[in-house]
Amino acid sequence: GEEVAQTPKHLVRGEGQKAKLYCAPIKGHSYVFWYQQVLKNEFKFLISFQNENVFDETGMPKERFSAKCLPNSPCSLEIQATKLEDSAVYFCASSLRETQYFGPGTRLLVL
Amino acid sequence: GQQVMQIPQYQHVQEGEDFTTYCNSSTTLSNIQWYKQRPGGHPVFLIQLVKSGEVKKQKRLTFQFGEAKKNSSLHITATQTTDVGTYFCAGRGAGNNRKLIWGLGTSLAVNP
Repeated sequence: GEEVAQTPKHLVRGEGQKAKLYCAPIKGHSYVFWYQQVLKNEFKFLISFQNENVFDETGMPKERFSAKCLPNSPCSLEIQATKLEDSAVYFCASSLRETQYFGPGTRLLVL
Repeated sequence: GQQVMQIPQYQHVQEGEDFTTYCNSSTTLSNIQWYKQRPGGHPVFLIQLVKSGEVKKQKRLTFQFGEAKKNSSLHITATQTTDVGTYFCAGRGAGNNRKLIWGLGTSLAVNP
């Protein structure tokens, strides 16, 4: 597609539950990025992929966060045992070269 | 580690006034990008600057990249209510890592 698609738009989880977010990058884009944005605007980089390979995972809290980009499937970001501080908007972006194209985001609320 | 500082954090202007946001990197950048995020929306790419001292214009928006490729600015002339949003700069380091280092953004409010 010509736009980055993210599902679901909203997700509500009780503390300790699992959350799984999906991202379909723009067709032909080989790079996928995940960001976390909390109320104060700050974009926290989580992880990036080059095709199905992890390119940079320096931002990932590895204890509870995991991500995959498998061939012919949407990319996914999974949070095991969510915590209150995981409440944020999670953006996925894809790129061919320099410009990153962002999806609409998934708003996660952990209660 | 590499950091990109962006100021001011917030700016409130009257419609018709000018607005400027500044970014400073702790290290030399290979390029810098600017994005705009409307309230409730997602970041949208505005422009990329690559060359030392580069200046680019998009209608009322003027983007500059410093001579040392460590700082950049976005200037909006005669703001309009449609300019409301948060403006982010994102700098790419001089290495091969494709991770952008994001500034914290400048939120612009425009009074009609």
